[in-house]
Amino acid sequence: DGGITQSPKYLFRKEGQNVTLSCEQNLNHDAMYWYRQDPGQGLRLIYYSQIVNDFQKGDIAEGYSVSREKKESFPLTVTSAQKNPTAFYLCASSEPAANEKLFFGSGTQLSVL
Amino acid sequence: AQSVSQHNHHVILSEAASLELGCNYSYGGTVNLFWYVQYPGQHLQLLLKYFSGDPLVKGIKGFEAEFIKSKFSFNLRKPSVQWSDTAEYFCAVYTGGYQKVTFGTGTKLQVIP
Repeated sequence: DGGITQSPKYLFRKEGQNVTLSCEQNLNHDAMYWYRQDPGQGLRLIYYSQIVNDFQKGDIAEGYSVSREKKESFPLTVTSAQKNPTAFYLCASSEPAANEKLFFGSGTQLSVL
Repeated sequence: AQSVSQHNHHVILSEAASLELGCNYSYGGTVNLFWYVQYPGQHLQLLLKYFSGDPLVKGIKGFEAEFIKSKFSFNLRKPSVQWSDTAEYFCAVYTGGYQKVTFGTGTKLQVIP
């Protein structure tokens, strides 16, 4: 069953702690994305990656880091530098052709203890 | 940079009422336009998309949207809503380059039986 898997579903972060959100896809998509969803603000792009070993900052990259060592994996680390990390995080991927239809994972809700 | 505006943040309708959700974007060049929907507890999924050709596009579940280039708009419509249409709707635009998609802030639709 093809799709995007995000884990964990819920995550809690202590002050000063880095946490990593997992995103795996088996759709053979080249491009992958991380979005942050806040009530009333829609989806804002954190990072995106077109190909393995390459990624670009989105609109709100400060306090986050990513890696793309494998095509199917695009983990997001929320660092201690991110002062307001409580949000719903969505991972997405898109098809190789230039149509930009996004496929989304089920999301991770991150909260600060 | 491109931006997307959704002016209706929360819409409440009775079943069988007609729906129109506004979406305006700011970008002078060629765009690909999307409407995504997030039903309660479910993934974001594509509702419909416009790439080129007929500016009136039809999507799933009886939804349609019209691209009006002169107005930079891509409004979503449905002649008769159902309770099952209760969801949050996001307009999105892709303008090329690094496969970056920009989302609007979303509109929460509540349909009352």
